[in-house]
Amino acid sequence: DVKVTQSSRYLVKRTGEKVFLECVQDMDHENMFWYRQDPGLGLRLIYFSYDVKMKEKGDIPEGYSVSREKKERFSLILESASTNQTSMYLCASSPSGKGIHTGELFFGEGSRLTVL
Amino acid sequence: AQSVTQPDIHITVSEGASLELRCNYSYGATPYLFWYVQSPGQGLQLLLKYFSGDTLVQGIKGFEAEFKRSQSSFNLRKPSVHWSDAAEYFCAVDTGGFKTIFGAGTRLFVKA
Repeated sequence: DVKVTQSSRYLVKRTGEKVFLECVQDMDHENMFWYRQDPGLGLRLIYFSYDVKMKEKGDIPEGYSVSREKKERFSLILESASTNQTSMYLCASSPSGKGIHTGELFFGEGSRLTVL
Repeated sequence: AQSVTQPDIHITVSEGASLELRCNYSYGATPYLFWYVQSPGQGLQLLLKYFSGDTLVQGIKGFEAEFKRSQSSFNLRKPSVHWSDAAEYFCAVDTGGFKTIFGAGTRLFVKA
């Protein structure tokens, strides 16, 4: 079965802390994504990566960075967490080849982050 | 700008009744279209997709959706709802370039 695993389901952090959200997929997918989900806003794309060490900004990259050192792993980093980053974070991957993406996404179960 | 509108924030349907969830998109050409479902505390799961061809597409769990180009719509339907269908449903559009645009979601409640 297709599997995207997010290491932490629930996190509570303090303002100013550095936060790492880890995501691993076992499907050998080229493309990986980080979304943020907030009520009434749907999902918004933070960053994506279409190859190892490649990353591209999505629609709301401010306050976030990412790392993709290995094909199966895509990390989201909050350098200095703020209360407005309290949200559900969803990792996804897609099976298309390099430079091609047909939009079908496989999601992890999400990481709910609370910043106090 | 591309956008996806799901007009209904929430819908309540009796078990066994039919269901239609609405989705309208704004895009100059025909995009790839998707419906995803999210059960409480879970990630999103693909229900069905439309890329081209037959405008009525079948998905998992007995769902279907119809693409209507003239109305820029991609409504999701199910003839008979089960209590386990209670979840949040997201319509999504992919216009190429890795950026899938999601609607705000419609939460479905099923009453006995």
